[in-house]
Amino acid sequence: GAVVSQHPSRVICKSGTSVKIECRSLDFQATTMFWYRQFPKKSLMLMATSNEGSKATYEQGVEKDKFLINHASLTLSTLTVTSAHPEDSSFYICSARDLQVSTDTQYFGPGTRLTVL
Amino acid sequence: DQQVKQNSPSLSVQEGRISILNCDYTNSMFDYFLWYKKYPAEGPTFLISISSIKDKNEDGRFTVFLNKSAKHLSLHIVPSQPGDSAVYFCAASRNNDMRFGAGTRLTVKP
Repeated sequence: GAVVSQHPSRVICKSGTSVKIECRSLDFQATTMFWYRQFPKKSLMLMATSNEGSKATYEQGVEKDKFLINHASLTLSTLTVTSAHPEDSSFYICSARDLQVSTDTQYFGPGTRLTVL
Repeated sequence: DQQVKQNSPSLSVQEGRISILNCDYTNSMFDYFLWYKKYPAEGPTFLISISSIKDKNEDGRFTVFLNKSAKHLSLHIVPSQPGDSAVYFCAASRNNDMRFGAGTRLTVKP
């Protein structure tokens, strides 16, 4: 149980285009989902916290107009990278919290490798 | 199905003693393993890693042990300090595929 999927797993796009990444909780309801970006030293930077039915909370320095987050249902959150540039190339990971388990427990998706040409 | 599991959601240890955090994985193709430490409202920070060709990697107070036959990974922190209190995630990867455990909250009591 407690599986989180991400789609696509890899995407290559041209500079200036937009890319949508989906994060789904497959067998539980996730009232909160998190979006992370992995940097070369392996640490994950929290980009935003997504709560179902409300606007996402963005971390300082993350452009909300560039990284659009939608959490329309208890099982789906999407991250859209708008007008992508090569510096947006990275590994994006989502995680979901199951409030019925614990506030500490997060189930991570397998990540999406974005390459912007 | 979850390919990486941390079966203990929480662990409480006295300051100065050893903390042992455990992690199990199911996919024998994973070749690189990592531990992350996470404070509230921050992203997980990389702590220590180990390649599948090794069975132990040590960095200061942190040591990671890998038992490939048991598909088991553990993180030892000794001596534990109150500042080590955080949520710890293990992760396993192969190429660009990385899978995380669900986390263990470590509380180190003074």
